[in-house]
Amino acid sequence: KQEVTQIPAALSVPEGENLVLNCSFTDSAIYNLQWFRQDPGKGLTSLLLIQSSQREQTSGRLNASLDKSSGRSTLYIAASQPGDSATYLCAVVTGANSKLTFGKGITLSVRP
Amino acid sequence: DAGVIQSPRHEVTEMGQEVTLRCKPISGHDYLFWYRQTMMRGLELLIYFNNNVPIDDSGMPEDRFSAKMPNASFSTLKIQPSEPRDSAVYFCASSLISPGETQYFGPGTRLLVL
Repeated sequence: KQEVTQIPAALSVPEGENLVLNCSFTDSAIYNLQWFRQDPGKGLTSLLLIQSSQREQTSGRLNASLDKSSGRSTLYIAASQPGDSATYLCAVVTGANSKLTFGKGITLSVRP
Repeated sequence: DAGVIQSPRHEVTEMGQEVTLRCKPISGHDYLFWYRQTMMRGLELLIYFNNNVPIDDSGMPEDRFSAKMPNASFSTLKIQPSEPRDSAVYFCASSLISPGETQYFGPGTRLLVL
C-alpha cells in the first residue's frame, strides 16, 4: 500500500527566503507525482505534475523535482512571499487508472 | 467554465439526520471524485465515477454513506443517518482523461454533525 509522508507538518519562514518542501513515498513504482496548494477554507489547486519519466517541472517561482528510486520529491519555492502562505500537499499515482494518494500536507507561513 | 461547483458550502445538522451533498463537475470531464478531509486522517478518497458509473467505492466508510451520479453533470453524496464523527470537509473533484491526471477540486462542503 502506497504511503505518502510530508514532514514537517508546519513551517514558518521570513519573506524572501528560498525554501524546500519535502515529500516521500513508499512505493517507487509511480505513474506521476502532483503538488497541490490549499488555502484556508478552500479546495485544492493543482500546482505541478511530474510524470514518472521526468526529473523536474517548473512554474514561475516553483520547481518540483522527483527522485523515484529514493521515493522523494521536493517543491522549491524561490523568494517566498506572504501570498505563498498555504498548505502544500503532495500526491502520488501508481498507475494511469489509479487514484491519487495524498500526504497530509505542510502548512507554510511566510512572515512579512 | 465555472469550475467544480459544490453545495451547500456549510451544513450543520443533528445526529441521526440525513445529509445530502451535491456536486456539479466541469463540463466534459469523464471522472468525478468524492473526498473527505479531516485533521486526523487528511484527505481520503471515498468513491469515484467514470462516465457516471461508480468504479471504486472502497473508501466509503460504511453503509450509511451512498453516492450517485444520475447524469454527467450532477452527483450526490448522502449520509443517512449522520453521526458526529462524520464531521469533516467533503470535496468533489473532476478530471478529464483519467483518475491519475490533474484533478480539479471544488470549494468543499464543511459538515458539522452535532
